[in-house]
Amino acid sequence: QSVLTQPPSASGTPGQRVTISCSGGSSNIKSNYVYWYQQLPGTAPRLLIYRNNQRPSGVPDRFSGSKSGTSASLAISGLRSEDEAHYYCAAWDDSLSGLFGGGTKLTVL
Amino acid sequence: VQLVQSGAEVKKPGESLTISCKGSGFSFTSYWIGWVRQMPGRGLEWMGIIYPGDSDTRYSPSFQGQVTISADKSISTAYLQWSSLKASDTAMYFCARGGSGDWNYRDYFDYWGQGTLVTVSS
Repeated sequence: QSVLTQPPSASGTPGQRVTISCSGGSSNIKSNYVYWYQQLPGTAPRLLIYRNNQRPSGVPDRFSGSKSGTSASLAISGLRSEDEAHYYCAAWDDSLSGLFGGGTKLTVL
Repeated sequence: VQLVQSGAEVKKPGESLTISCKGSGFSFTSYWIGWVRQMPGRGLEWMGIIYPGDSDTRYSPSFQGQVTISADKSISTAYLQWSSLKASDTAMYFCARGGSGDWNYRDYFDYWGQGTLVTVSS
């Protein structure tokens, strides 16, 4: 069981807005940056959001991140079929280790 | 920026193994390099990171003592090593580039290798 808790699944229809939550604690999310990664089937993860709400170049602005206290969320607007993937939140923990959330499988209906 | 990992491995329990991750297109000694495990059908697990510039290494408590992370800065290559494999080590292992600077070990992974599949079976 991961220290960073994500819902195992999420879904939406094309064009819809979906959010994926990530719940942690005072030693990780509250005191450190949150990152989000997208993993398409059979591929390496891809950085989607860094430092809570920053997008790397090449990531569409349909993806946005936010953080409040011990929780963070990833929002995807204008959902597209190619967004179907696993999404992972991540953060450093002050116990001196990195952490990943358990992952959320997003299905585009 | 590229991280190219060594090929898939099939090993028996008790055997030793070292897999590699060669970086190019950036200053290998100035960035942390991390290792991430993904067991079949499971999520990502942060294993540890190394700063090739001075070999400073941080391990997740879950992996401390189970694996060894090292680097050879002269050939821009990081390594993940097991001395005695178990069936439960069967997984895909990814290397990834972390933060820039020896103080920046908390940062995100922005470039990833293609993964190395390790299968341990008798």
